[in-house]
Amino acid sequence: EVQLVESGGGLVQPGGSLRLSCAASGFTFSSYEMNWVRQAPGKGLEWVSYISSSGSTIYYADSVKGRFTISRDNAKNSLYLQMNSLRAEDTAVYYCAREIRQWLVPYYYYYMDVWGKGTTVTVSS
Amino acid sequence: EIVLTQSPGTLSLSPGERATLSCRASQSVSSSYLAWYQQKPGQAPRLLIYGASSRATGIPDRFSGSGSGTDFTLTISRLEPEDFAVYYCQQYGSSSWTFGQGTKVEIK
Repeated sequence: EVQLVESGGGLVQPGGSLRLSCAASGFTFSSYEMNWVRQAPGKGLEWVSYISSSGSTIYYADSVKGRFTISRDNAKNSLYLQMNSLRAEDTAVYYCAREIRQWLVPYYYYYMDVWGKGTTVTVSS
Repeated sequence: EIVLTQSPGTLSLSPGERATLSCRASQSVSSSYLAWYQQKPGQAPRLLIYGASSRATGIPDRFSGSGSGTDFTLTISRLEPEDFAVYYCQQYGSSSWTFGQGTKVEIK
């Protein structure tokens, strides 16, 4: 079964740090791009960060650039999000999501087809 | 950055009725990068539609997507009790993803 399981969430004070993990199983993790997406309480979905299958290409949302770092360990089938200088507005459920980049002539199709259940991060004093 | 605006914010309908959800982009979007997701309370988003009109694996054929350019639509032909949820459109462009703010489909 294809599965993503997030962990590492919790309560942290403003200015603190937290490292989220996402364990992948049931598919060849090293072949897929991955993303982090978050959802503040009662709000919509917000994309946070992307990493290519090899880890060589990384993108961030402006709201987290310079504070968050995405990484992956393909040998351990794991995705990570290092979050530093946390703010109250970073409070959210954080999801990892598998990205599909599929060539179906004559177009590339991009979408996120598998999501984890999420891990909750609360930034509060 | 492309902004996606979904309407209406809330749709109140009865089971068996047709639901039409709109997603409008602030500039033209590649249809192959436009997707729709369903999210129920306490659950992760679930992929429904990719490429603006292709159903994901296991998605019932009462769900359909259409549109191009700046205007996209998700249609649920006959609402089932399990379809009451929040729906998000999503697009990829300029090395980032953006989501619409969501449309809640609630039981009337």
